[in-house]
Amino acid sequence: AQSVTQLGSHVSVSEGALVLLRCNYSSSVPPYLFWYVQYPNQGLQLLLKYTSAATLVKGINGFEAEFKKSETSFHLTKPSAHMSDAAEYFCAVQGQGAQKLVFGQGTRLTINP
Amino acid sequence: DTGVSQDPRHKITKRGQNVTFRCDPISEHNRLYWYRQTLGQGPEFLTYFQNEAQLEKSRLLSDRFSAERPKGSFSTLEIQRTEQGDSAMYLCASSLAPPGVNTRRLYEQYFGPGTRLTVT
Repeated sequence: AQSVTQLGSHVSVSEGALVLLRCNYSSSVPPYLFWYVQYPNQGLQLLLKYTSAATLVKGINGFEAEFKKSETSFHLTKPSAHMSDAAEYFCAVQGQGAQKLVFGQGTRLTINP
Repeated sequence: DTGVSQDPRHKITKRGQNVTFRCDPISEHNRLYWYRQTLGQGPEFLTYFQNEAQLEKSRLLSDRFSAERPKGSFSTLEIQRTEQGDSAMYLCASSLAPPGVNTRRLYEQYFGPGTRLTVT
């Protein structure tokens, strides 16, 4: 079985500051890992994904995430926050051979001017 | 627009009424998924289809819920005798898994904008 824990339901940073959103996973098989972004009243947009290739994954909009097996983590970072980054972010896991995505509870990112 | 589309985008209904939502996947995508997202939570898997076959159902899918994909293209999700606890965003996603699929490979899911259901 797979599960995801996102540490911090709300994160607030200043514009231009580092963004760090935390995700820890649990999986009985080698996982695929994802970060999605959701803007108000919209569906989910894929930011990036880990598929057992490079452990440092680069995504859209300047985001990247690092897979750390020893820490069972897949934290999302962006060096410099922009006002347009304000949204809800979801970490998700999918076990190899499984079809469904299992999501964390989400982290709401607020950017202060 | 060739993305996943859902209709309606919003639905307000009274408790006890039946509702039906529609999802049109990306053309030629043979897999279709339904998820439910309640306020302040991440999406939860409900069910998925490969072509017209419903291959997996979550325990969340009570007997009041039924999903179909009759011709392997669009899908409908019906909720009978709605309850206030059914209020949520219902998300649809689709993916393409080629024939002779290697289940260990990743087939990316593309999400639609969702249908927000409010039961009063």
